[in-house]
Amino acid sequence: GAGVSQTPSNKVTEKGKYVELRCDPISGHTALYWYRQSLGQGPEFLIYFQGTGAADDSGLPNDRFFAVRPEGSVSTLKIQRTERGDSAVYLCASSSTGGTGELFFGEGSRLTVL
Amino acid sequence: AQSVSQHNHHVILSEAASLELGCNYSYGGTVNLFWYVQYPGQHLQLLLKYFSGDPLVKGIKGFEAEFIKSKFSFNLRKPSVQWSDTAEYFCAVNLNTGFQKLVFGTGTRLLVSP
Repeated sequence: GAGVSQTPSNKVTEKGKYVELRCDPISGHTALYWYRQSLGQGPEFLIYFQGTGAADDSGLPNDRFFAVRPEGSVSTLKIQRTERGDSAVYLCASSSTGGTGELFFGEGSRLTVL
Repeated sequence: AQSVSQHNHHVILSEAASLELGCNYSYGGTVNLFWYVQYPGQHLQLLLKYFSGDPLVKGIKGFEAEFIKSKFSFNLRKPSVQWSDTAEYFCAVNLNTGFQKLVFGTGTRLLVSP
């Protein structure tokens, strides 16, 4: 498809488990972002990739969260030892440029930690 | 910390009514401003943006927003809403960091009754 693709669309896991969320950006987009949207809130910035490198990971809440983009395209957000407070919709967005390019969002991965 | 306030959490209007959604931000420097919209079951998408120049910006579907620097505001307007405008609207600020590290408001849910 032409848009940003995220899988899985829904993930239910138990507290303490490990989770991976995948993002496939629009082809050719060098900038990739992860945001997290908790219930009743707006999206919150987590991390920004320019190419393969994480240019800004200041939004990651703690060291249980990690993201990679090894080939500059697909990105994976990894959450270790999940906690109930991690329950949220994780949004991926991509852009053709870093600064002023429009962000194109995926539909998100809804994570529920029981 | 920088923040974005959307004072109207829920708005209900009849078709053809006029719309104004408030957005205020707390940051004294140069900002880029955005309104994003999320239609039911769809992903976030850009409605309009302000970077510089004319403070009255026009977006898609007849929406416009006015940047008033002295009031730290970027209110969204539409003269006559349609049922298809039912959606959640998010105001966002980018602190001109060179990439899209957006700070979002909590959103306003708009319901337009036919």
